[in-house]
Amino acid sequence: AQSVTQLDSQVPVFEEAPVELRCNYSSSVSVYLFWYVQYPNQGLQLLLKYLSGSTLVESINGFEAEFNKSQTSFHLRKPSVHISDTAEYFCAVLGWGTGFQKLVFGTGTRLLVSP
Amino acid sequence: EPEVTQTPSHQVTQMGQEVILRCVPISNHLYFYWYRQILGQKVEFLVSFYNNEISEKSEIFDDQFSVERPDGSNFTLKIRSTKLEDSAMYFCASHDRGLGYGYTFGSGTRLTVV
Repeated sequence: AQSVTQLDSQVPVFEEAPVELRCNYSSSVSVYLFWYVQYPNQGLQLLLKYLSGSTLVESINGFEAEFNKSQTSFHLRKPSVHISDTAEYFCAVLGWGTGFQKLVFGTGTRLLVSP
Repeated sequence: EPEVTQTPSHQVTQMGQEVILRCVPISNHLYFYWYRQILGQKVEFLVSFYNNEISEKSEIFDDQFSVERPDGSNFTLKIRSTKLEDSAMYFCASHDRGLGYGYTFGSGTRLTVV
């Protein structure tokens, strides 16, 4: 079985500052990794994903995440945040060959960007 | 861009009543899921569905829950006798092949049981 740990329940940051949202996972098999974003009163939007290849993946709005197999991490970073990045961010893992493609989510990190 | 559509966006029901949450997955997708998110908590897997049958379900998905793909386009989640603790956001998801490709979520149905 897989599990995901997001240690920070809330991360306050000032606009234009850098941010890192931490995600660690546990799995006995190889995994695919995802970050989803949820804006207030909205659904889940895929932010970025790691399936294979380059361990550094980027989104269209400036976020990036790096898959680190040795540290079992997939931290999300952005060098300069905007007010509009305020949202809940969920890390999720999908295990190869275990179960039927179900995503296992972390508890989420609320990013609060203030002026 | 293709979307997974969920209706209604918000449903209020009395405890003990049956509810049906509806989803229209992306048309060429073959794998379907329901997840739920209790307010302020993480998103939890409920059930997966492929080839007109349940392929996996969580311990949350007890006998009060059922899923159906009645007409080849809709994918429904039924709760037979709702309880207060069923109040949550329910998300439908689908994808077209295995291993995480094209995994798309709907915008969710907020179910409130009173």
